[in-house]
Amino acid sequence: EAGVVQSPRYKIIEKKQPVAFWCNPISGHNTLYWYRQNLGQGPELLIRYENEEAVDDSQLPKDRFSAERLKGVDSTLKIQPAELGDSAVYLCASSLDGTGGETQYFGPGTRLLVL
Amino acid sequence: GENVEQHPSTLSVQEGDSAVIKCTYSDSASNYFPWYKQELGKRPQLIIDIRSNVGEKKDQRIAVTLNKTAKHFSLHITETQPEDSAVYFCAASRGNAGKSTFGDGTTLTVKP
Repeated sequence: EAGVVQSPRYKIIEKKQPVAFWCNPISGHNTLYWYRQNLGQGPELLIRYENEEAVDDSQLPKDRFSAERLKGVDSTLKIQPAELGDSAVYLCASSLDGTGGETQYFGPGTRLLVL
Repeated sequence: GENVEQHPSTLSVQEGDSAVIKCTYSDSASNYFPWYKQELGKRPQLIIDIRSNVGEKKDQRIAVTLNKTAKHFSLHITETQPEDSAVYFCAASRGNAGKSTFGDGTTLTVKP
C-alpha cells in the first residue's frame, strides 16, 4: 500500500512569489492534515479536512495561505505571496477518520526555502 | 488550546543505557497520546501510542506511561541502540477534535 505522497520534495522561491504543494493521502483515509514544521520544532497544524470540508483552519494564515481538497482526496496548499518566514517543511498527513485516537501517517514533506 | 511541553530537548546516552523523555499537557480533555520518531530528513513515524484509559503500554524495548492526574506522559527506551538516534516528538489530542498538538521534540543521540 502506498503511503502519503507529497510533491514537490523541495522548492526554492523568491519572496513575494506564489508556491503550491500537493498531497495525495493514503487510499480510504477521510481525514487529511497540513502541518508546518519549523527547524527544531514539532509539526504545527495548519488545516484539517474531513472529506472535502475544512473542519479546523484556525491556525491557517488566511491572508496568504489557502487550501483545497476537491473530491475529498488530493489536496493543495498554496501560499501567495510567500514571505521569508514561510521557509519550513510542509507536512501532509492522513488518517482513517478524525474522531481522535486514529494514527496519522505523514508524507515525506516539502522543504520550502524562501529567499 | 492545548499546550504540550517536552523535555529534555537533547539527550545523549551510551549504547545499552535507557532513555526517558517526558511530556506534559494542559488540556485535561486530551485522551490520545502518540509518540513519533523522525530521522533526519525523513517523515515522522508513529512508534507507540497510549489512550487515556490505560496507564502503561509496552512494545519490546519501548514503553509509554501516562499519569492523567498530573497530566504528563513519558517515553521509555531500554537497551538503546545507535539506530535509535533520532528526534522524538510527543503529541496530545482530544477525542472528537482529532487535532494533535506536538511537543518541540527531543534529539536523542545513542553513542556506540
